[in-house]
Amino acid sequence: DQQVKQNSPSLSVQEGRISILNCDYTNSMFDYFLWYKKYPAEGPTFLISISSIKDKNEDGRFTVFLNKSAKHLSLHIVPSQPGDSAVYFCAASESNDYKLSFGAGTTVTVRA
Amino acid sequence: DADVTQTPRNRITKTGKRIMLECSQTKGHDRMYWYRQDPGLGLQLIYYSFDVKDINKGEISDGYSVSRQAQAKFSLSLESAIPNQTALYFCATSDSLAGGRTDTQYFGPGTRLTVL
Repeated sequence: DQQVKQNSPSLSVQEGRISILNCDYTNSMFDYFLWYKKYPAEGPTFLISISSIKDKNEDGRFTVFLNKSAKHLSLHIVPSQPGDSAVYFCAASESNDYKLSFGAGTTVTVRA
Repeated sequence: DADVTQTPRNRITKTGKRIMLECSQTKGHDRMYWYRQDPGLGLQLIYYSFDVKDINKGEISDGYSVSRQAQAKFSLSLESAIPNQTALYFCATSDSLAGGRTDTQYFGPGTRLTVL
């Protein structure tokens, strides 16, 4: 059973607007969360992460929010740019485990 | 040059054939992983290795085997390929000695395998 779920397979957003990607998890032992970005014919690349001791982490246009009580995290991209069109994977891990559990991915399309 | 390389990038084979996918890394990381990606399922862990003498099964290891020939090399074998092993395969690395949380993994470009 998938422990990390991305329930929206796709998202279309206009250039300059905000993209919000959502991720839910079921394993309460997860304490570290990551977002990866994947372009066609390339491997996933690390984007941003957050530890469970925080509820927000920001890196330039990318911000990840964590709601532990709801077992929910989200990735905000502001402003969205055409180069952000890609598949975004949410991943989670437990302390001292180092194995990542991945969601199914959300395909983001940024329209000009 | 890419830090994590995979060969071949594409492979078409027939049911019952033995196939080996290779992964090399120049990042100096001690940990290496093999994943497969199927549409709608994200990435699933096949095998992982924390050092040359350590091999562990992941979520979906049946039908696969691995070899860690050196710190920089980790190969995945399909002893007798079957059509439902058609997928995109990724190798990844991570560094346990980096300090702090070392969960971040770095991926190769992938191998697209088709089993007819």
